[in-house]
Amino acid sequence: SAVISQKPSRDICQRGTSLTIQCQVDSQVTMMFWYRQQPGQSLTLIATANQGSEATYESGFVIDKFPISRPNLTFSTLTVSNMSPEDSSIYLCSVEKGDTEAFFGQGTRLTVV
Amino acid sequence: AQSVTQLGSHVSVSEGALVLLRCNYSSSVPPYLFWYVQYPNQGLQLLLKYTSAATLVKGINGFEAEFKKSETSFHLTKPSAHMSDAAEYFCAVSDRVIMNRDDKIIFGKGTRLHILP
Repeated sequence: SAVISQKPSRDICQRGTSLTIQCQVDSQVTMMFWYRQQPGQSLTLIATANQGSEATYESGFVIDKFPISRPNLTFSTLTVSNMSPEDSSIYLCSVEKGDTEAFFGQGTRLTVV
Repeated sequence: AQSVTQLGSHVSVSEGALVLLRCNYSSSVPPYLFWYVQYPNQGLQLLLKYTSAATLVKGINGFEAEFKKSETSFHLTKPSAHMSDAAEYFCAVSDRVIMNRDDKIIFGKGTRLHILP
């Protein structure tokens, strides 16, 4: 299994500012994933972060808006840049262990005002 | 490409009644299927998974799901609902073992389960 600590758990931010979300895993993992869960919606994958290389972004997400760091095998950050109210969402960090199971952090509930 | 459809964004059942949450999938290869539960203000927790072994999969908290290839379904059931089951449930599909950066889990839109006293 994997235990994921995600910080902050929630924040209220002014539009135009940036927020960095941290994700710490209790064991080394190859890939870490960042998801967005908008109100009433399902999870949408933002990007996949591998240690030592640039993150791979899904369609509709760009590095300038969502820069990601992956400095080692247990840690990653996602920054939501130049925020607007449309960025209000829950952001989730996830890792995969074993052959099939995904583990999730508790999420960061972001409100942009 | 794989996809998941969950029928019903909200389902209400009485405490003690049968819980049935529907999930249909689309996949070009034999899928791996998952059900996750999300309690308020928490992350997702795996309930159960199907990985091509037994078609009837038992999970935590008394939940189970049956993989039916002919119906492309993976419905989640529980014989007797409990108040603590109130949560959001997500069905998910993946085409293969999740160790390849090109493989992703695709989530359904979720079904919020309400338990009536």
